[in-house]
Amino acid sequence: GNSVTQMEGPVTLSEEAFLTINCTYTATGYPSLFWYVQYPGEGLQLLLKATKADDKGSNKGFEATYRKETTSFHLEKGSVQVSDSAVYFCALSEGIQGAQKLVFGQGTRLTINP
Amino acid sequence: DAGVTQSPTHLIKTRGQHVTLRCSPISGHKSVSWYQQVLGQGPQFIFQYYEKEERGRGNFPDRFSARQFPNYSSELNVNALLLGDSALYLCASTRPGTGRTEAFFGQGTRLTVV
Repeated sequence: GNSVTQMEGPVTLSEEAFLTINCTYTATGYPSLFWYVQYPGEGLQLLLKATKADDKGSNKGFEATYRKETTSFHLEKGSVQVSDSAVYFCALSEGIQGAQKLVFGQGTRLTINP
Repeated sequence: DAGVTQSPTHLIKTRGQHVTLRCSPISGHKSVSWYQQVLGQGPQFIFQYYEKEERGRGNFPDRFSARQFPNYSSELNVNALLLGDSALYLCASTRPGTGRTEAFFGQGTRLTVV
């Protein structure tokens, strides 16, 4: 079946550092890809998405490009802030419209120190 | 517009008991999905309902059941609770048929089984 693999955490960076969180996937066809973020004690928030190869999703300074040739969707940010501390989940959608589900990676905990 | 709302936010139950979790989707969203997130892991798909019909079921025992009502709200029921059912239960709503694939999550219900 389809699966998502994220780089293992936790990741600790200093404020203003460059961030990369790796995500690779295994899937039949061309699923939509997502990054979700989870702040402490909260549900998941959609951070960005890409629906086809070479699409770049972006939001709040975060970016990720759908790379079909490497089956990857790495999350990047040029300068992180303390407020970016959270758990980040990479996910893909599978199934047909009306019967889609998300398959998540295991999550990467990010801590940004001032 | 209100987001996805879940109730209750926290719940403590004893092994063997039954629990009902509730979810109201975003207005206009006709599909609701349920996910289980065990501490330190990514969410796992439990059920999807669309137009009041079950459209998908994950690898969970028959103790788990769900339904969707005419107003598109949903309930997740778990019978004969086990300690291992302790988790954050997330509800997500989507709007099939619009070409938009992203799911929007509620804040979750934290279930603790003792």
